[in-house]
Amino acid sequence: AQKITQTQPGMFVQEKEAVTLDCTYDTSDQSYGLFWYKQPSSGEMIFLIYQGSYDEQNATEGRYSLNFQKARKSANLVISASQLGDSAMYFCAMREGTTNFGNEKLTFGTGTRLTIIP
Amino acid sequence: DTEVTQTPKHLVMGMTNKKSLKCEQHMGHRAMYWYKQKAKKPPELMFVYSYEKLSINESVPSRFSPECPNSSLLNLHLHALQPEDSALYLCASSQVNRDRIAFFGQGTRLTVV
Repeated sequence: AQKITQTQPGMFVQEKEAVTLDCTYDTSDQSYGLFWYKQPSSGEMIFLIYQGSYDEQNATEGRYSLNFQKARKSANLVISASQLGDSAMYFCAMREGTTNFGNEKLTFGTGTRLTIIP
Repeated sequence: DTEVTQTPKHLVMGMTNKKSLKCEQHMGHRAMYWYKQKAKKPPELMFVYSYEKLSINESVPSRFSPECPNSSLLNLHLHALQPEDSALYLCASSQVNRDRIAFFGQGTRLTVV
């Protein structure tokens, strides 16, 4: 079974509109972390936002917010007021719980290619 | 400063060559990672170093040989690669605390001819 599911292979959004990128996850761990990364065509993987499973508040970082619904196992990324520079591939990722810090991996979804239209 | 620096940015090598990829960070992170990303696919973990010791090897072929000489530096030695090894190789590092946010470098685009 997929641990991270991103159901939107591609999205087109008008500049200045808000956009929601979907991410659902599957884990039986109580402690886990959820991440969103942006990957422009240059290849660099840029960290956007993080949500810990025990965090009660939804994470926000500037124009990015994470809509965390634990019971539904979803962690959608919301980008407000989209800009042309937001065009990129977006990956949702999960780190599952372990007591052995620094000794685990991120599992990535298949990504959503976001294109902002002027 | 959340910078992870990878060199070279691009590499073309023959199947009989030996080459190395280099990754450097000065954030005091004690976990470092190598990921491989094929075109139009998500990254996949290859190796994890924790406190300069290899802690995870995801059954990577021996033609890929990682090395962590010190807490700031991570190398990936390449030998006798195949054309199917052509990919983007991403290095990342993280603290070993609760959040463990991984910061990535810009990657090395490797082409094996």
